[in-house]
Amino acid sequence: KAGVTQTPRYLIKTRGQQVTLSCSPISGHRSVSWYQQTPGQGLQFLFEYFSETQRNKGNFPGRFSGRQFSNSRSEMNVSTLELGDSALYLCASSSTTHSFTDTQYFGPGTRLTVL
Amino acid sequence: ILNVEQSPQSLHVQEGDSTNFTCSFPSSNFYALHWYRWETAKSPEALFVMTLNGDEKKKGRISATLNTKEGYSYLYIKGSQPEDSATYLCAPNTGNQFYFGTGTSLTVIP
Repeated sequence: KAGVTQTPRYLIKTRGQQVTLSCSPISGHRSVSWYQQTPGQGLQFLFEYFSETQRNKGNFPGRFSGRQFSNSRSEMNVSTLELGDSALYLCASSSTTHSFTDTQYFGPGTRLTVL
Repeated sequence: ILNVEQSPQSLHVQEGDSTNFTCSFPSSNFYALHWYRWETAKSPEALFVMTLNGDEKKKGRISATLNTKEGYSYLYIKGSQPEDSATYLCAPNTGNQFYFGTGTSLTVIP
């Protein structure tokens, strides 16, 4: 079974630009969560999508948005990039509706650098 | 926002040593706790999901315990091997999201 894939793996943008990251979950998984990791910080929860609906949202500004398609693939968009958005962005997929006990399977991440 | 603390921040042990780390979290609004292992250049990998007070889980040489009343979990590694070198993350879930600690970085010296 193929794992979670994320594209692109590396990205360099400049301040003010916008960026879209993509995540393809494990086949059959309907939940996709996004996390940000910056140096010295634990993984910070951005949002979770389940069956094309945002189910939960973390404490991030509105510049961070996401969506999920009918095939469960998810995209995350960051508009008006700031230097502080430089981070590793991970997505994770899980299979059922009981999200707090489901095992999450992580992708390899997208390393975003904002110059 | 949930304050999750992991200690120690980093640890160097000799091959064959046994070791343990701690994850502390507020005991209110607790639904489950997940442990992950994150090796360099790889994706975080789930180790355990724990929900009940007194839960004990084991996977090979790695085991974990959970105390939801006092808000902590211990991860134990028996007879550490170089391949155990990784960052170990804990993540309690409050019912709607995970809160990750910053992890314990373990280096096992051959």
